[in-house]
Amino acid sequence: GENVEQHPSTLSVQEGDSAVIKCTYSDSASNYFPWYKQELGKRPQLIIDIRSNVGEKKDQRIAVTLNKTAKHFSLHITETQPEDSAVYFCAASPASGTYKYIFGTGTRLKVLA
Amino acid sequence: DTGVSQNPRHKITKRGQNVTFRCDPISEHNRLYWYRQTLGQGPEFLTYFQNEAQLEKSRLLSDRFSAERPKGSFSTLEIQRTEQGDSAMYLCASSLRGLAGDYNEQFFGPGTRLTVL
Repeated sequence: GENVEQHPSTLSVQEGDSAVIKCTYSDSASNYFPWYKQELGKRPQLIIDIRSNVGEKKDQRIAVTLNKTAKHFSLHITETQPEDSAVYFCAASPASGTYKYIFGTGTRLKVLA
Repeated sequence: DTGVSQNPRHKITKRGQNVTFRCDPISEHNRLYWYRQTLGQGPEFLTYFQNEAQLEKSRLLSDRFSAERPKGSFSTLEIQRTEQGDSAMYLCASSLRGLAGDYNEQFFGPGTRLTVL
């Protein structure tokens, strides 16, 4: 069935270092991959997304890469700041005709000052 | 606040009772989604509407669960005969169907936290 695996489950980095979170999806027809940030007690908020016809996308300190052949995509955060501390979820939108997201299990990122 | 809103924010109920949650999407959004999130997990898809039509339901949505979107605006999710396993955060999201492709961002509400005693 449809599945998204996410690693690591927790990640601690020193302020200023980079953080990388990786996800693997099972449905090769998936065509859209959003990343959400969820702070404690708050709603998930989109931070970056990538479509299946693009290999990489960057927005200031955040970048996402997609390898369709290997069916995996990664989130890269550079120059991490304490306010980056949160739970990050990757998601995949399966084949055309359905608009649901399949989410990963989340990565708790702690940026140590 | 023009974002997605959900009511109530918290609900505590006894096992066997019925509960109903409401979601008000962003006004021009024609797609509405319900997800369930348990502690330490990502949101799990429950069901989705395009306008008033319920187009997809997850196998997670047992016959005790029913969702409606009668006028294509707000939606309700009802759980009958609640069980302790229903305790979770119920998230609503909405999106706008695009003209070219359908890679539309889903905007999430703050969720309704259900506790079944």
